[in-house]
Amino acid sequence: TQLLEQSPQFLSIQEGENLTVYCNSSSVFSSLQWYRQEPGEGPVLLVTVVTGGEVKKLKRLTFQFGDARKDSSLHITAAQPGDTGLYLCAGAQGSSNTGKLIFGQGTTLQVKP
Amino acid sequence: NAGVMQNPRHLVRRRGQEARLRCSPMKGHSHVYWYRQLPEEGLKFMVYLQKENIIDESGMPKERFSAEFPKEGPSILRIQQVVRGDSAAYFCASSPDRLNYGYTFGSGTRLTVV
Repeated sequence: TQLLEQSPQFLSIQEGENLTVYCNSSSVFSSLQWYRQEPGEGPVLLVTVVTGGEVKKLKRLTFQFGDARKDSSLHITAAQPGDTGLYLCAGAQGSSNTGKLIFGQGTTLQVKP
Repeated sequence: NAGVMQNPRHLVRRRGQEARLRCSPMKGHSHVYWYRQLPEEGLKFMVYLQKENIIDESGMPKERFSAEFPKEGPSILRIQQVVRGDSAAYFCASSPDRLNYGYTFGSGTRLTVV
């Protein structure tokens, strides 16, 4: 069974601090996606990384895909209260679209003003 | 440009009743996926459908659960004879093609079995 382990599970920080969320697996994924989910809503796609070693930036968010395509990280610079939410990583299996994303358990981020 | 539409947003059913959850994908999207999110657990894949075809139902319980995506109309996830353990948030996602480049999720249906 493929698993994605996210850490930390909970993170409470002050506005302006930096943070990193990790997503690790022993399995290789063809792509890895990061989502953000607000209470009572569905996940919203932030980014997809496909190539090993790939780095993508989205304003203050930096996403990295491990060289072996087994792990990923999300780094937020100068966190703001608006960044508060549940962050989910999800890995896609195989080389073709089976439709099956493996989701991590999520990291709940709270940014205090 | 409507996103993925799910209805109802909230559904309460008594044990033994049937639950029907509907999902209209984004315009131009022909691939639909259903996921379930149980309290304190992550999202779990249930089923992947294209128009009139079930592509992968490996995550769906064999008993009481079924899904369809007809030529016309929304995708339906049907749960017969619901039990308390079926209480969860059910999310539908859609994508335009067979690439693993991210899906658009709906807001979900929260099913409560009493």
